[in-house]
Amino acid sequence: GEDVEQSLFLSVREGDSSVINCTYTDSSSTYLYWYKQEPGAGLQLLTYIFSNMDMKQDQRLTVLLNKKDKHLSLRIADTQTGDSAIYFCAENPNTGNQFYFGTGTSLTVIP
Amino acid sequence: DADVTQTPRNRITKTGKRIMLECSQTKGHDRMYWYRQDPGLGLRLIYYSFDVKDINKGEISDGYSVSRQAQAKFSLSLESAIPNQTALYFCATSDPLNTEAFFGQGTRLTVV
Repeated sequence: GEDVEQSLFLSVREGDSSVINCTYTDSSSTYLYWYKQEPGAGLQLLTYIFSNMDMKQDQRLTVLLNKKDKHLSLRIADTQTGDSAIYFCAENPNTGNQFYFGTGTSLTVIP
Repeated sequence: DADVTQTPRNRITKTGKRIMLECSQTKGHDRMYWYRQDPGLGLRLIYYSFDVKDINKGEISDGYSVSRQAQAKFSLSLESAIPNQTALYFCATSDPLNTEAFFGQGTRLTVV
């Protein structure tokens, strides 16, 4: 299957920016996604980016895509304690059969 | 009401028992999925179904079976549960273009 990799943990201070990184393997993916999982909850879509885009911004969230390096990042500006969660990167190759998820990055925001 | 509902939310069962996890969705999508989540391993696909007559194995289908009873219902069974099936299980559904997968709240299964 596809290989989507993320670091497991990230800690930041409240008010700082957080950057969560992801590498993926299938360059045919049409969409690349960021999901957020809060404790005891399912995954919720934060944002997605089309593979023909380099950047997408949505309020405090900025997604950067480097197709050449197959690298996706999620930047959260002015990180708040409510942003503490697990963040999953995912891709959906053009075969369309399934979403491939990374291991998830556990973000801890220190007050 | 949630778009994707899983029952039960928590379950403890004994080794060797049969258990069924149920999932229903109100999104009206044909595509449904079962994933399991383990710490440090992310989500791994168990089975998926693209319509009522379509069932496909995922990455880790051994020890599991599924039934697609209707467009809105997709259940996962463990015929003879074993301790390494202790995990958090998620059901999901997606639109045909896969712009988004909608997840249930998860079922935490413990096999003792």
